[in-house]
Amino acid sequence: DVKVTQSSRYLVKRTGEKVFLECVQDMDHENMFWYRQDPGLGLRLIYFSYDVKMKEKGDIPEGYSVSREKKERFSLILESASTNQTSMYLCASSFPSGRDPYNEQFFGPGTRLTVL
Amino acid sequence: DAKTTQPTSMDCAEGRAANLPCNHSTISGNEYVYWYRQIHSQGPQYIIHGLKNNETNEMASLIITEDRKSSTLILPHATLRDTAVYYCIVRPFYNQGGKLIFGQGTELSVKP
Repeated sequence: DVKVTQSSRYLVKRTGEKVFLECVQDMDHENMFWYRQDPGLGLRLIYFSYDVKMKEKGDIPEGYSVSREKKERFSLILESASTNQTSMYLCASSFPSGRDPYNEQFFGPGTRLTVL
Repeated sequence: DAKTTQPTSMDCAEGRAANLPCNHSTISGNEYVYWYRQIHSQGPQYIIHGLKNNETNEMASLIITEDRKSSTLILPHATLRDTAVYYCIVRPFYNQGGKLIFGQGTELSVKP
């Protein structure tokens, strides 16, 4: 069974703290993604990576950074958490388009982050 | 920006077919139509995709109009577990990194 796991389901941090959100996939996928989901705004792409040590900005990268040191792990970093980063964070992974006829992204269960 | 328009919400009776429409009038020739759904407190889940022919799998059917400007996702016998937000997404099959751009989706409520 395919699996994308995220380090925490719920997380509470204080303003100014450095926050690490971890995502691990066991499907040997090259592509990995971080989204955030907010009411009324839907899912928005923060960063994605199509290979180890490679990263690309998504639509809302400001205030975030990422790290992809190993193929199976993609970390999202909030250098100095702010209250407007309170959100649901979703990680996903996929094969490159040419390797998967369904071009399907697999999502983790999400981390609900609250910044106080 | 999302390139699709969907109704905000829909109801369906359990056991009946759920027909979820999507408008994508600016779709280009190399773009596919994808459907995902998100059950409450879970991550989105792939359902089906298509280019111009109708498609069917174990979860749903996808009907794409001949001009490709709209499509309908059909859940043939909706159950209570099909209650979810359904997202219609258009994107090239071969795009950098495989990005998905989600719109607001349709909140489907299946009622007993």
